Amino acid sequence: AQKVTQAQTEISVVEKEDVTLDCVYETRDTTYYLFWYKQPPSGELVFLIRRNSFDEQNEISGRYSWNFQKSTSSFNFTITASQVVDSAVYFCALSEAGGAGGTSYGKLTFGQGTILTVHP
Amino acid sequence: GAGVSQTPSNKVTEKGKYVELRCDPISGHTALYWYRQSLGQGPEFLIYFQGTGAADDSGLPNDRFFAVRPEGSVSTLKIQRTERGDSAVYLCASSLGVNQGEQFFGPGTRLTVL
Repeated sequence: AQKVTQAQTEISVVEKEDVTLDCVYETRDTTYYLFWYKQPPSGELVFLIRRNSFDEQNEISGRYSWNFQKSTSSFNFTITASQVVDSAVYFCALSEAGGAGGTSYGKLTFGQGTILTVHP
Repeated sequence: GAGVSQTPSNKVTEKGKYVELRCDPISGHTALYWYRQSLGQGPEFLIYFQGTGAADDSGLPNDRFFAVRPEGSVSTLKIQRTERGDSAVYLCASSLGVNQGEQFFGPGTRLTVL
């Protein structure tokens, strides 16, 4: 069965600091997707990124970057030069291929989330 | 364009009552998902639909929970004989297809069972 672990329950930083959110996953599938979502105080989950299991290339989008390492089953998320608006709960999630032909990616398994607070 | 919408935004009910929660997915999205999020936890999968059929309902906690999507668009999550433990935020998401793209989430319905 799939599992996602976000060991950091809460992180507090001062604006402009870099911060890394850890995510470790477990799956028996060789084909899967990994995701990061942001949940600001308003409550609505906002999609940040999706990576498939065959693409280990790191990705950068503005101040955000992601490090995917299959060898350690990790998919870590770094925010560079953090800002107060980055304060939110961040969730890592996993979606496995399942069913005949491995075509079912429907179910997301989320980690417990990391509460990030960025102080001015 | 419009995102995923959910109604009501808040629902307070008494133990033992029946409730219905509605989800309107993004137009053109064939896959629709329901999750439940308890305080301080990540969302927990309940069920997803591809078109009108439930493709995976393995997350429904028991037979008091049921969901339908009769025309392949709007979905209703139905909870019978509500219990206090059902109190949570119920989230709906949709995607272009099960294999296509990310899931876009709605604002959720906060259910409180007194």
